[in-house]
Amino acid sequence: SQTIHQWPATLVQPVGSPLSLECTVEGTSNPNLYWYRQAAGRGLQLLFYSVGIGQISSEVPQNLSASRPQDRQFILSSKKLLLSDSGFYLCAWTQGNNSPLHFGNGTRLTVT
Amino acid sequence: QKEVEQDPGPLSVPEGAIVSLNCTYSNSAFQYFMWYRQYSRKGPELLMYTYSSGNKEDGRFTAQVDKSSKYISLFIRDSQPSDSATYLCAMSVWGTDKLIFGTGTRLQVFP
Repeated sequence: SQTIHQWPATLVQPVGSPLSLECTVEGTSNPNLYWYRQAAGRGLQLLFYSVGIGQISSEVPQNLSASRPQDRQFILSSKKLLLSDSGFYLCAWTQGNNSPLHFGNGTRLTVT
Repeated sequence: QKEVEQDPGPLSVPEGAIVSLNCTYSNSAFQYFMWYRQYSRKGPELLMYTYSSGNKEDGRFTAQVDKSSKYISLFIRDSQPSDSATYLCAMSVWGTDKLIFGTGTRLQVFP
């Protein structure tokens, strides 16, 4: 069966520091991969998605970037964190169009 | 107007009650509908998904879609304290993989 791993679970970082969040999927190949951010009362905001290695689409211009160095690995990064980057970050995957979306357990990021 | 509207709650019910959670949407091209359950500090967990109008049942859960009214519902029978969570609806246009989510309804089931 397929599983998705996301780490770390929580992270506290100072303003201006770099960020790297990692997500890996097991038990499938060539998944579509996604990064979402969830803010209280504002729902899920799609940040990036990828349909293949090295293919990244950005939904919202901001202080973050994403990379997909391997088929089942998706990384969310920032060179310099802002206070507004605090939030709950979720990685997710599907097998393609019209397939259910499955989420990891998220990373709670607090920028101080 | 948001594409998907969902009452944020909280909805508080006694154990054993029937719960009705609802979402309305404005895009008539949506054809793929999902419900997720999210416990505090966890990622959303897929509960049910459906492509068609009508009802789909899975244990204590029933998903209902009314495309003519642009309205979807999730019913929970015999609710349990373990059902206390936030419930998110999501939907997409057929042939795409970009989901539009509601903001979630917080449900509390008290013993």
